[in-house]
Amino acid sequence: NAGVTQTPKFQVLKTGQSMTLQCAQDMNHEYMSWYRQDPGMGLRLIHYSVGAGITDQGEVPNGYNVSRSTTEDFPLRLLSAAPSQTSVYFCASSSTGLAGYEQYFGPGTRLTVT
Amino acid sequence: AQSVSQHNHHVILSEAASLELGCNYSYGGTVNLFWYVQYPGQHLQLLLKYFSGDPLVKGIKGFEAEFIKSKFSFNLRKPSVQWSDTAEYFCAVNEESNYQLIWGAGTKLIIKP
Repeated sequence: NAGVTQTPKFQVLKTGQSMTLQCAQDMNHEYMSWYRQDPGMGLRLIHYSVGAGITDQGEVPNGYNVSRSTTEDFPLRLLSAAPSQTSVYFCASSSTGLAGYEQYFGPGTRLTVT
Repeated sequence: AQSVSQHNHHVILSEAASLELGCNYSYGGTVNLFWYVQYPGQHLQLLLKYFSGDPLVKGIKGFEAEFIKSKFSFNLRKPSVQWSDTAEYFCAVNEESNYQLIWGAGTKLIIKP
């Protein structure tokens, strides 16, 4: 199993550009989420989804959009990149069974906005 | 709002020293508790988890954690650390039946050889 995959691994954007960070999982997990990780701030939830067609905002949703058309894929779109969005982005997924919602993480995307 | 506190942002130890990293949470109901580790340049991996039962849980690489409900704590311990334990450690909590994890800010652990 590949688990959770993310592309690209690294990206540099200019202010105002848009892009999509890809995330896919092959574990048939219903719950998927996007976090950003900044030094000294832990992980902050951007958006999450509890199943195909259902998404909701997390703690820091501004400037980001998501969609969930399939169980496997959960792309994150930056609409107009800003330097404040320079961060490492992690996608995670978990089952919704009785396992306590342990989350599995992708390798991350390091984004720099200049 | 629920929160998770990790007491130390940076810890520096020598090899073979004992380790205890603190984690406290604010939610008063039933919770699931996790410790994740992030080695340099890598993604987060689950170290151990508590859902129910024995409050002393054992994880990978010799780590363990004890859930003390009365103290709202879930401290991570290891009797003798190794240089390869250098990493950032995150405590996370979710309320029962809630998918969302609440994260602590992380503790950077540096082990001197």
